[in-house]
Amino acid sequence: GENVEQHPSTLSVQEGDSAVIKCTYSDSASNYFPWYKQELGKRPQLIIDIRSNVGEKKDQRIAVTLNKTAKHFSLHITETQPEDSAVYFCAARWETSYDKVIFGPGTSLSVIP
Amino acid sequence: SQTIHQWPATLVQPVGSPLSLECTVEGTSNPNLYWYRQAAGRGLQLLFYSVGIGQISSEVPQNLSASRPQDRQFILSSKKLLLSDSGFYLCAWSVLRERTQYFGPGTRLTVL
Repeated sequence: GENVEQHPSTLSVQEGDSAVIKCTYSDSASNYFPWYKQELGKRPQLIIDIRSNVGEKKDQRIAVTLNKTAKHFSLHITETQPEDSAVYFCAARWETSYDKVIFGPGTSLSVIP
Repeated sequence: SQTIHQWPATLVQPVGSPLSLECTVEGTSNPNLYWYRQAAGRGLQLLFYSVGIGQISSEVPQNLSASRPQDRQFILSSKKLLLSDSGFYLCAWSVLRERTQYFGPGTRLTVL
């Protein structure tokens, strides 16, 4: 069935280091891959997304890569800052009648000052 | 621009009591609407989605129901709450060709 796996479940890095979160998906029909950041007690907020016809996308310190053949995608955060501490969710979308999105279980990122 | 509202923001209810959570979207027409639940420290579980007025689909069997009486209004209900219904309830919307789902501020429900 449809599934999105995400690793690691927790990640702790020193301020200024890079953080990488990896996700895999099961359905090759997936065509859109958003990443959300959720701070404690807040709603998930979209931080970056990538479409299936693109291999990489970058927005300042955040980048996402997609390997459709291997069915995996990754989030890269460079020069991490304490405010990057949050839970990050990857997701994969199937184009059905209702924009079905399956979320990964989340990665809790802690940036140590 | 589009805005999504949810209320109440927090709610404490006894076991066996009814529930009604409301979500409204502004600034868009005919959105797809979703209800998710997030247990403490856990991921996002899709409960219901709706592609139009009166059209509701359930992803998982449970103690909850949903309704969409108006184009931009989505309601989550229960007749009798269980302890396991506690969690953070998030409403989200999307427009089909724009792909992205946007979340409301959420309702934190505690069932005692």
